[in-house]
Amino acid sequence: GQNIDQPTEMTATEGAIVQINCTYQTSGFNGLFWYQQHAGEAPTFLSYNVLDGLEEKGRFSSFLSRSKGYSYLLLKELQMKDSASYLCAVMDSNYQLIWGAGTKLIIKP
Amino acid sequence: GAGVSQSPRYKVAKRGQDVALRCDPISGHVSLFWYQQALGQGPEFLTYFQNEAQLDKSGLPSDRFFAERPEGSVSTLKIQRTQQEDSAVYLCASSTPGSLPYEQYFGPGTRLTVT
Repeated sequence: GQNIDQPTEMTATEGAIVQINCTYQTSGFNGLFWYQQHAGEAPTFLSYNVLDGLEEKGRFSSFLSRSKGYSYLLLKELQMKDSASYLCAVMDSNYQLIWGAGTKLIIKP
Repeated sequence: GAGVSQSPRYKVAKRGQDVALRCDPISGHVSLFWYQQALGQGPEFLTYFQNEAQLDKSGLPSDRFFAERPEGSVSTLKIQRTQQEDSAVYLCASSTPGSLPYEQYFGPGTRLTVT
């Protein structure tokens, strides 16, 4: 079967760095996405990785290792507005997104 | 330009009622997806359209769920004889295949509560 695993909840301090991990087992692989979702709002796109390595975009970076079925999202210089759920999703061989349950990130001052 | 819009934003239905949820995708987006998201969970795929063709409906949980996109733009998700387990947020997303990374743009969702 297809499976995406990520921690349920994480807590970090404002100004710090946090890494949210995601492991996956899917039927085929056409890229891995990270989305941010604030409570009661729609998911918004953060990053896309299809090749191994690190993609950096401002305070956010995303890493992929296809051989390990592993990705992480790295958030630097945390701000209170970063409190949200972070969803990992893999595009399978049918170009459909398989979603994890999301990691709720709590930022404390 | 305008993003994906959905209506209504909130819907309360009595068990057994039929409901219709509307999605207006981004203009020109060929692909349209419906997802169901339970509280504290990630979205679960329901169905997928490319233009007016429904290419995948494997995620629809029962034959009470029906989706259409007759002119290849606006889509409607209909749920007949609603049950309490249908209570969830229904998200619509659109994208344009052929341009990486096939990013899906989400609407704000319709929160359905079945009482």
